[in-house]
Amino acid sequence: EPEVTQTPSHQVTQMGQEVILRCVPISNHLYFYWYRQILGQKVEFLVSFYNNEISEKSEIFDDQFSVERPDGSNFTLKIRSTKLEDSAMYFCASSVGRGHNSPLHFGNGTRLTVT
Amino acid sequence: RKEVEQDPGPFNVPEGATVAFNCTYSNSASQSFFWYRQDCRKEPKLLMSVYSSGNEDGRFTAQLNRASQYISLLIRDSKLSDSATYLCVVNRLGGYSTLTFGKGTMLLVSP
Repeated sequence: EPEVTQTPSHQVTQMGQEVILRCVPISNHLYFYWYRQILGQKVEFLVSFYNNEISEKSEIFDDQFSVERPDGSNFTLKIRSTKLEDSAMYFCASSVGRGHNSPLHFGNGTRLTVT
Repeated sequence: RKEVEQDPGPFNVPEGATVAFNCTYSNSASQSFFWYRQDCRKEPKLLMSVYSSGNEDGRFTAQLNRASQYISLLIRDSKLSDSATYLCVVNRLGGYSTLTFGKGTMLLVSP
């Protein structure tokens, strides 16, 4: 079964550094997403991406965050200047379409630790 | 009121038991409803979509009550492998496909 893949599985960085989290969505999917989960808390939406542009973003997704689809397969999340509170598990997801018949498929996540 | 609210856990049940999870959501315009399961420190995985008429998938039955803005999941004949956190998920306000997650209810099935 095709799956969403994310790299790295664990990233440790110092406060103020830039990080790029990478994702390869399922190949025939058109909608891409980033979510995050702080340890012990719920999964939170960050951003959705379709047709090479952001279609929706949450209040968490401020100017420090950006997303890009640099080629036909990768989907990246960049955090420009990391803060301690950015430490979380970051999940990439993709879907074929929108709505009920197009559930999201999640990658296995990147654990970001900011020290 | 939280967007998606679930029973606090954990639920501790013996193998073979029937267990029910409840969930309420605040956005009456929500159109898509799902149950996901999440194993410790892993990604959420879709368990089942929830349809207006209710639906069943093997030992799992999901129900939706739009009037009460209430969703349920019933697991019959619990297995050890059912131990996980069960996440109630609805589409976000204004977002047809982006999702709002509940905090989840942990299920522990013991021998």
